[in-house]
Amino acid sequence: AQRVTQPEKLLSVFKGAPVELKCNYSYSGSPELFWYVQYSRQRLQLLLRHISRESIKGFTADLNKGETSFHLKKPFAQEEDSAMYYCALSAAGSGNTGKLIFGQGTTLQVKP
Amino acid sequence: KAGVTQTPRYLIKTRGQQVTLSCSPISGHRSVSWYQQTPGQGLQFLFEYFSETQRNKGNFPGRFSGRQFSNSRSEMNVSTLELGDSALYLCASSLGLGGYSPLHFGNGTRLTVT
Repeated sequence: AQRVTQPEKLLSVFKGAPVELKCNYSYSGSPELFWYVQYSRQRLQLLLRHISRESIKGFTADLNKGETSFHLKKPFAQEEDSAMYYCALSAAGSGNTGKLIFGQGTTLQVKP
Repeated sequence: KAGVTQTPRYLIKTRGQQVTLSCSPISGHRSVSWYQQTPGQGLQFLFEYFSETQRNKGNFPGRFSGRQFSNSRSEMNVSTLELGDSALYLCASSLGLGGYSPLHFGNGTRLTVT
């Protein structure tokens, strides 16, 4: 079964602390994974995708096929990072184009 | 470039009615996907259209349908509305087939069924 699990509904950290948002997936093929973010009163937007291997707003995510994980990390959290974060798996590789399987989301709260 | 535009932003309908939601993709994007977002089920895939053809469909009843026009604009229709159809409906466009190309989301249409 294709599934994305984000075990934490809420993650609360202080400004300057490291952040790790967890994401585990279940997929039989070669996964294509994304992190999407939704800031307050804004639309859902792409933060990063694993094939780009880039750092966006200080966030990075490494695909670990052995642990089937794609955790999102940032060494020093900023208050403007407060948002809802969704991990998503593309099923396009199995013919399901257009279909992203989303986790339930994690709300990141960065306290001053 | 203008982002994905969804209209209307809010809709209130009564059980048994039907509703049509509209989505204008980013200029040049040929794929449009639709998602339903609810507090209980989260974001769930409805269907994808590419070059006016439905390429993929999620696990929703036949009351949910859609279409895409030659200018890539898309509409989604829900017939015989049920209370459980109350949700935020999100449209997303992508340059190529969704999933291979990143999805760009609209602000959504919030549908309330009473």
